[in-house]
Amino acid sequence: GAVVSQHPSRVICKSGTSVKIECRSLDFQATTMFWYRQFPKQSLMLMATSNEGSKATYEQGVEKDKFLINHASLTLSTLTVTSAHPEDSSFYICSASGGRPYEQYFGPGTRLTVT
Amino acid sequence: GENVEQHPSTLSVQEGDSAVIKCTYSDSASNYFPWYKQELGKRPQLIIDIRSNVGEKKDQRIAVTLNKTAKHFSLHITETQPEDSAVYFCAASPSGGYQKVTFGIGTKLQVIP
Repeated sequence: GAVVSQHPSRVICKSGTSVKIECRSLDFQATTMFWYRQFPKQSLMLMATSNEGSKATYEQGVEKDKFLINHASLTLSTLTVTSAHPEDSSFYICSASGGRPYEQYFGPGTRLTVT
Repeated sequence: GENVEQHPSTLSVQEGDSAVIKCTYSDSASNYFPWYKQELGKRPQLIIDIRSNVGEKKDQRIAVTLNKTAKHFSLHITETQPEDSAVYFCAASPSGGYQKVTFGIGTKLQVIP
């Protein structure tokens, strides 16, 4: 139980285009989802927290107009990187809570490469 | 906000030896301390966690200790095996689950056969 999927697993896009990443909880209702970014050989940095039906809460320094987060249902959250640039290339990971207390369940991540 | 410091950043041990990773946190409101193992290109996997109402927790070869007064917590892996090689992250959260988790920088553990 408590499976989280992400799609796509890898994406390559051209600079200036937008990319949408989906995060789904497959067997539980995720009232809260988190989006992280991880650069090579670095830690996971929280970008934003989203609660179903509410606006996302962004961490300091994360541009909300660039990283659009939508959590429209209890099983789906999306992250859209708008006008992507090479410096946005990273590993994006979501996590979801709503299963066992305390625990967050991570998705497998999406490798974004902007050329 | 919470700040989690982790050391060492890299650790090499001989197979069969023990490995210890230490973390400190800054926010006294943190009450949940998970440890994650991440292999290259994969998702973090929860390996053990501890809540502030206990000082130690053990699961087979893995143990975690917590000193809430000193704001220290540590991961101990005994009888290390090559498959233990990975990056390990400590983290802290007010209560996990629905609240944000702050990660340490990670420790790259290499177990030498």
